[in-house]
Amino acid sequence: GAGVSQSPRYKVAKRGQDVALRCDPISGHVSLFWYQQALGQGPEFLTYFQNEAQLDKSGLPSDRFFAERPEGSVSTLKIQRTQQEDSAVYLCASSLGTTGLGYGYTFGSGTRLTVV
Amino acid sequence: RKEVEQDPGPFNVPEGATVAFNCTYSNSASQSFFWYRQDCRKEPKLLMSVYSSGNEDGRFTAQLNRASQYISLLIRDSKLSDSATYLCVVNVNSGNTPLVFGKGTRLSVIA
Repeated sequence: GAGVSQSPRYKVAKRGQDVALRCDPISGHVSLFWYQQALGQGPEFLTYFQNEAQLDKSGLPSDRFFAERPEGSVSTLKIQRTQQEDSAVYLCASSLGTTGLGYGYTFGSGTRLTVV
Repeated sequence: RKEVEQDPGPFNVPEGATVAFNCTYSNSASQSFFWYRQDCRKEPKLLMSVYSSGNEDGRFTAQLNRASQYISLLIRDSKLSDSATYLCVVNVNSGNTPLVFGKGTRLSVIA
């Protein structure tokens, strides 16, 4: 596609509910990144894929967070047993290169998750 | 110490003013540097890369000072449309490491 597409755009979840956030990167982009952005903060790294391989998941805040990219294109970020502190905008970005080096990222519009 | 630090602002400047933001980074091995712009409730968008020799794009000038580990963004002749949050972004090394974002500096250009 022309850009990075994320869905849903908004999600309201009751505390304890599981959610799944989808990211469809730019076609041909090797790298895919998930970031979490709380209100008034910069994006914080969660996890990174190169094709289908999850190369870095050091930013995932707990084992309730899980991400996959099984065929090296679409990725899903799953959050189990959501908590109020999970409320944030979840941004997906893709990059043509194998790191951000020299290329920068293209971000999707994000999914705004509100846990009530 | 945070890897990337910025003054959060807000910077409130009149139209036509020149405004500069600085950003410091902690890892001397950092390889790549960028400025991103983020409008309210929108995603970050790449504004410009920052090269060792400095670079200019219209009214925007970015500088890198490796010795002092800071980068800067200068905006000349500010427009109302420049109002946004400016994110300083660093790639820590050339390996498979993701970009690290600062918290952003908020700019409001006032008529």
